Parts: sequence; C-alpha cells; structure tokens
Amino acid sequence: EAGVTQFPSHSVIEKGQTVTLRCDPISGHDNLYWYRRVMGKEIKFLLHFVKESKQDESGMPNNRFLAERTGGTYSTLKVQPAELEDSGVYFCASSRIRVTNTGELFFGEGSRLTVL
Amino acid sequence: GESVGLHLPTLSVQEGDNSIINCAYSNSASDYFIWYKQESGKGPQFIIDIRSNMDKRQGQRVTVLLNKTVKHLSLQIAATQPGDSAVYFCADFQAGTALIFGKGTTLSVSS
Repeated sequence: EAGVTQFPSHSVIEKGQTVTLRCDPISGHDNLYWYRRVMGKEIKFLLHFVKESKQDESGMPNNRFLAERTGGTYSTLKVQPAELEDSGVYFCASSRIRVTNTGELFFGEGSRLTVL
Repeated sequence: GESVGLHLPTLSVQEGDNSIINCAYSNSASDYFIWYKQESGKGPQFIIDIRSNMDKRQGQRVTVLLNKTVKHLSLQIAATQPGDSAVYFCADFQAGTALIFGKGTTLSVSS
C-alpha cells in the first residue's frame, strides 16, 4: 500500500511568487491534515479536511494560503504570494479515522519550501 | 495559552544507554498524548500514545510516562541504538482541537 506522497519534495521560489504543494493521502483515508515546521520550531497545524470539506482551518496563517481537496482525494496547498517567513517544511498527513481516536497519523515526507 | 514543549532541544547518548526525552504541556484539559519520531528527510512517524487515564504505557523498547499532576510526560528508550537518532516530538490532543506538537528534541546516538 502506498503511503502519503507529497510533491514537490523541495521548492525554491522568490518572494512574491506562487507555489502549489500537492498531497496524495493513503487511499481510503478521509481525514487529511496539513502541518508546517518552520526551522527549529514546532510542527504547527494548518488545517484538516474530512473528505472534501474543511473541518478545521484555524491554523492557516493568513489569506495567502489556500487549501483545496476537490473530490475528496488529493489536496493542494497554494501560497500566493509567497513571503520569506513561509519557508519551512510542509507536511501532509492522513488517517482513516479521526485523530480523536488515535494519533496514528500517517505523514508524508514533507515538501520543503524555500522563499528567497 | 496552550502549548506543548520539550525541556531540551538536543540529547546525546552512547549506544546501549537508556534515553529519556521529556515534555511539558500546559493545557490541563489535554487527554491524549502521542510521541512521534522524525528521521532526516522523512515525515513524523507514530511511536506510542497514552491517554490521560493512564500513567504508563510500554511498547517495544519504549515507555511513555505521564504525570498529570505536574503536566509532564517522558519517552524512555531502552538500549538506544544508532537507528534511534532522530527528532522526537511530543503532541497533545483534547477533544475538538487539532493535534498540537512541541518543538522537538534531537537525539544523537554515538557508537
């Protein structure tokens, strides 16, 4: 069974440009989460999808970030326009059941974003 | 505010030693705690969890202890191996909120 896959693994862009990160969750996992780790800091929650619906987007830093999950399968996270402080590693995770029952989220390897 | 933190950003041990990684949390309403391991270039991987109605839980070579009185949990790794070198995160959860991660402790195991 394929794990959570993320693309690209690393993206280097200039401030003001747009980047779109993609996450393919494990097949059959309705719950999809986006997290971000800025250098040396904690992993911060961004948002949670249940199928195609945004269940919780309280962690989205501002309106430059847009997440979608059309059709309830893969998800994209777009940053437009990117700022220097957006640099970090963006993790996607999925689970079959909600994290209220188990913390066993399956994480992807992350997309490293560098904004110059 | 709600936060989950680790006492030390780095921990260096010798192969074969036991490792103890500590974590403090501030939200007394948190009722579920998880430890994750993140190896270089990979995503966090679930290690072990514990619910607030427990004080201790054991897995393979790992033990998590929870002290609700002082809002502290720890991860103990027995007979630490070079393959245990990674960043370890504690995370807490309470109903209705997202999983909150701490800053991470980098464990370095030397042979």
